[in-house]
Amino acid sequence: NAGVTQTPKFQVLKTGQSMTLQCAQDMNHNSMYWYRQDPGMGLRLIYYSASEGTTDKGEVPNGYNVSRLNKREFSLRLESAAPSQTSVYFCASSETGDYGYTFGSGTRLTVV
Amino acid sequence: AQSVAQPEDQVNVAEGNPLTVKCTYSVSGNPYLFWYVQYPNRGLQFLLKYITGDNLVKGSYGFEAEFNKSQTSFHLKKPSALVSDSALYFCAVRDWNTGFQKLVFGTGTRLLVSP
Repeated sequence: NAGVTQTPKFQVLKTGQSMTLQCAQDMNHNSMYWYRQDPGMGLRLIYYSASEGTTDKGEVPNGYNVSRLNKREFSLRLESAAPSQTSVYFCASSETGDYGYTFGSGTRLTVV
Repeated sequence: AQSVAQPEDQVNVAEGNPLTVKCTYSVSGNPYLFWYVQYPNRGLQFLLKYITGDNLVKGSYGFEAEFNKSQTSFHLKKPSALVSDSALYFCAVRDWNTGFQKLVFGTGTRLLVSP
């Protein structure tokens, strides 16, 4: 089925560890996004990529880095995880000019 | 800055009754407004959008939303709720501050439909 695939679905990290969240879409969309979802705060944009080869900071970029590896893949890296990064992370994609986003099923990350 | 407010953390309604989930917005340009739904342990799914035209927008699963410019509102409605409509609903607005399309989401409203 066409869509956005995120891996892993669950992850527990110790403070200071690093990890990369993977995201891939097979809809040939130009734009991709990383959001985090926290109770009472909705979804907040971490980074986005308007097109292959470009990335920009969103609302809450501190502590994260991203790579737009190709048109399909957009990864999110935590270099030194902190408990404040415990959250559910969602990747999304959209076509240029189409304001509807397609979301992945999320990665639930716990940092202890 | 563009923003949306969802004043209710939770809405409770009995099955078969009409439901309304409220959203108000604040934008500096033309409002492009959206509703998304999130079922447990799933990503968000697009329900409907208002870009221009008719103030009553129809979307997926029998939902509709009414755009009201004077009240800066975009409430989600359904004439007859189903238990399966129980989920988390997000309102969103296009961010006009940059040249690139980004959506700003509200904090979400949990809809609970009782049998």
